[in-house]
This record gives sequence, structure tokens and C-alpha cells, in this order.
Amino acid sequence: DAGVIQSPRHEVTEMGQEVTLRCKPISGHNSLFWYRQTMMRGLELLIYFNNNVPIDDSGMPEDRFSAKMPNASFSTLKIQPSEPRDSAVYFCASKGSGNTIYFGEGSWLTVV
Amino acid sequence: GENVEQHPSTLSVQEGDSAVIKCTYSDSASNYFPWYKQELGKGPQLIIDIRSNVGEKKDQRIAVTLNKTAKHFSLHITETQPEDSAVYFCAASISYAGGTSYGKLTFGQGTILTVHP
Repeated sequence: DAGVIQSPRHEVTEMGQEVTLRCKPISGHNSLFWYRQTMMRGLELLIYFNNNVPIDDSGMPEDRFSAKMPNASFSTLKIQPSEPRDSAVYFCASKGSGNTIYFGEGSWLTVV
Repeated sequence: GENVEQHPSTLSVQEGDSAVIKCTYSDSASNYFPWYKQELGKGPQLIIDIRSNVGEKKDQRIAVTLNKTAKHFSLHITETQPEDSAVYFCAASISYAGGTSYGKLTFGQGTILTVHP
């Protein structure tokens, strides 16, 4: 099993640029989550999807953030325009019929 | 919403000693409590979990205990080894009937465990 696959692993971008993070969940999993991790705020749930439908996006910090899941095997998290305070590690995670949530390796974003 | 408090924030032990990390939660409806280990540069990985109908669960050197009345749960690592050094997170969520849930986990702040050889 390949696990949850995220890309890019590292991204450095200038303030104001658009950032797109990508995720491929584990095959057969029907729930997908985007988390953000920072030293100050720890692990925060941004949004999660069930069967490709956004269930709860209350954690999305503001309108600059958007997430889509066009099919069961792909999701994107977009930040437009990016700001330095968006610098963080963004994790995608997926879950099947059980309780265990599997995390990807993360996308390390630096906005300068 | 749910709030999970985790202590201590850092923990340093000698190899072979035991380590205990404690968490409290606020939502009495929470009934699923996983623990994740995060190594440097990697994503969190589940190491053990417990449901609210169980008071204790063990898996080799790690164990988790749950006190529903007090709304707290703990991770116990015995005979610690240097490879146990990592950040540990507790979490809580509501698991619906049938043992599954949407999995909206609320995480604690994390504990940096260092095991000295």
C-alpha cells in the first residue's frame, strides 16, 4: 500500500503567489482530511470530505483557502493569495471504514 | 467543540525508564481516543487507540488507560528506547454506531519525548 501521497513535499513561494497542494488518499478510503501544523497552534483540522463531499470546512482560516475533491483519488488545497503567516506543514489524511486515520508525509510550505 | 489538553509538553527520560503522557478532554460525547507518534519530517502515525467502552489497552511496551468519569486518558510507555524519541499526540473524536466515524479528530498540543541512551 502506497499510503497517502502528497505533493509537493516542499514549497517556497513569494507572498501573493498562488499555492496548490495535492493529495492522493489511500485507495478505497472514503474520508479525506486536510490538517495544518504549526508550532503555535499545533495540528488543526482545516476541512474534511466524506465520499468527495465537504462535510465541515469550519477550520478553513479565511476565503484565501479553498479545497476541492473532484474524485475519490484526488484532492487539492489552494491558497490564493499566499501570506507569510500561511507558512506551515500541511497534512492530508484519509480514512476507510474503520477509525484509523492515515497521514501523508506533509507538504512543507514557506511563504516569504 | 471538543478541547483536548495534553501534558507535559516535553518529557526527558533515561533509556529503560517509563514515560507517561496525560490528556484531558471536554466533550463527554467523545468516545474514541487515538495516540499518534510523529517523527521528525514525517506525518503522525497511529500507535494505539482506545474506545470508551474499554478502560485499558496494551500493545507490547505501550498501554493506554481511560477514565471516562474524569474525562482523561494516558499513554504509558515502558522500557523506553532511544527510538521512542518523537512527538506524541493524543486526540479525541466521536465514533458513531458501528465503529466508524467521520473521524474529526481534535488533537492535543503534543509532547516531545526524548529518551537518553
